[in-house]
Amino acid sequence: EVQLVESGGGLVKPGGSLRLSCAASGFTFNRNSMNWVRQAPGKGLEWVASIDSTSGYIYYADSLKGRFTISRDNAKNSLYLVINSLRAEDTAVYYCARDGPAVAIDFWGQGTLVTVSS
Amino acid sequence: DIQMTQSPSTLSASVGDRVTITCRASQSISTWLAWYQQKPGKAPKLLIYKASSLESGVPSRFSGSGSGTEFTLTISSLQPDDFATYYCQQYNSYSQTFGQGTKVEIK
Repeated sequence: EVQLVESGGGLVKPGGSLRLSCAASGFTFNRNSMNWVRQAPGKGLEWVASIDSTSGYIYYADSLKGRFTISRDNAKNSLYLVINSLRAEDTAVYYCARDGPAVAIDFWGQGTLVTVSS
Repeated sequence: DIQMTQSPSTLSASVGDRVTITCRASQSISTWLAWYQQKPGKAPKLLIYKASSLESGVPSRFSGSGSGTEFTLTISSLQPDDFATYYCQQYNSYSQTFGQGTKVEIK
């Protein structure tokens, strides 16, 4: 069974940093590109970043470049997202998501909530 | 960035209705388009990829069509389990974008 389990969310003060993790199981992690997608409370989906299977290609949403860093450790079947200089508008559920063979995202984790507030 | 515009934002329909949601891209994306269903408090679920390919396990009442800049998601006969929010997503460019969503409500 495919599983993506996010962790690392929580309450953070503005200006702080956070590292989100995603533990993958049930598939061959090193064969799939991976993504982070976020959803602010009551709002739509926003793609954050993608990383290919070997970390050779990394892409970020233009509006988020500079504060977000995506990475992966294939030996640990894990995906990461570091967010620096957190702002109130970064408050969202952050989803870890897998690219399927057709390139579209075909599986999502349940998400981890990040709340930025003083 | 490629912008994706969905219409309508909200749709009221009854069980058994045929429902169509439209998604327009700001530039051509060939058929690099997916549709997702999301229910409150849950992660999105892939319905359609490559504009018209049905994901395994998804009921055949869901279908997708279109290419270039105009796409549609059709539910042929709305079922109680289909009341949810639907998103289109383009993955043509390195920078993916989602539509703003269409909420399908009970009439």
